[in-house]
Amino acid sequence: SQQGEEDPQALSIQEGENATMNCSYKTSINNLQWYRQNSGRGLVHLILIRSNEREKHSGRLRVTLDTSKKSSSLLITASRAADTASYFCATGTTDSWGKLQFGAGTQVVVTP
Amino acid sequence: EPEVTQTPSHQVTQMGQEVILRCVPISNHLYFYWYRQILGQKVEFLVSFYNNEISEKSEIFDDQFSVERPDGSNFTLKIRSTKLEDSAMYFCATNRIAGVYNEQFFGPGTRLTVL
Repeated sequence: SQQGEEDPQALSIQEGENATMNCSYKTSINNLQWYRQNSGRGLVHLILIRSNEREKHSGRLRVTLDTSKKSSSLLITASRAADTASYFCATGTTDSWGKLQFGAGTQVVVTP
Repeated sequence: EPEVTQTPSHQVTQMGQEVILRCVPISNHLYFYWYRQILGQKVEFLVSFYNNEISEKSEIFDDQFSVERPDGSNFTLKIRSTKLEDSAMYFCATNRIAGVYNEQFFGPGTRLTVL
């Protein structure tokens, strides 16, 4: 089964606007993480939220987690051109050695 | 800040050839992972490795794949006989502590092109 599906698949916004993307998953999780990937580059960890947490902030990032709906959202406030990237959610479960299952990602383009 | 490094950045090989992708983990990290990302698709877990043993592997990680830590520093992924469908970005990731509440640190990836 697919784990960690993001929507929208693509998002185009202007600098200063907020960007919101969502992630849904199917199985029980222990944590959900968001990563950023610039074109052709590696994955950069943004934020981790545990299954017993509902909201977390880090700078301009705000993540929510609703385990009853098996969904999470990532909000980037006051976006900048440098935020242009693909954003992936990844879930971790108790029955794994830290294995992460990634979604398909949301491609965000921020225009100046 | 310590980083995970990977070599080579790009590897081109002929179908049927063996390739070895190398990763240098962050020095005090004990848990190692390989993931791959076929162009335009999601990142997929291949294998996790701890204490010189495979901890977990996915269906993708068949007999053509192997991992080892030959010298206590490098962590390698070997594909014995490459296929066209092995073309992908391969990412190494490491973690100081296994698991569930810890971020993984990813390397920049190796782009493998099989012709």
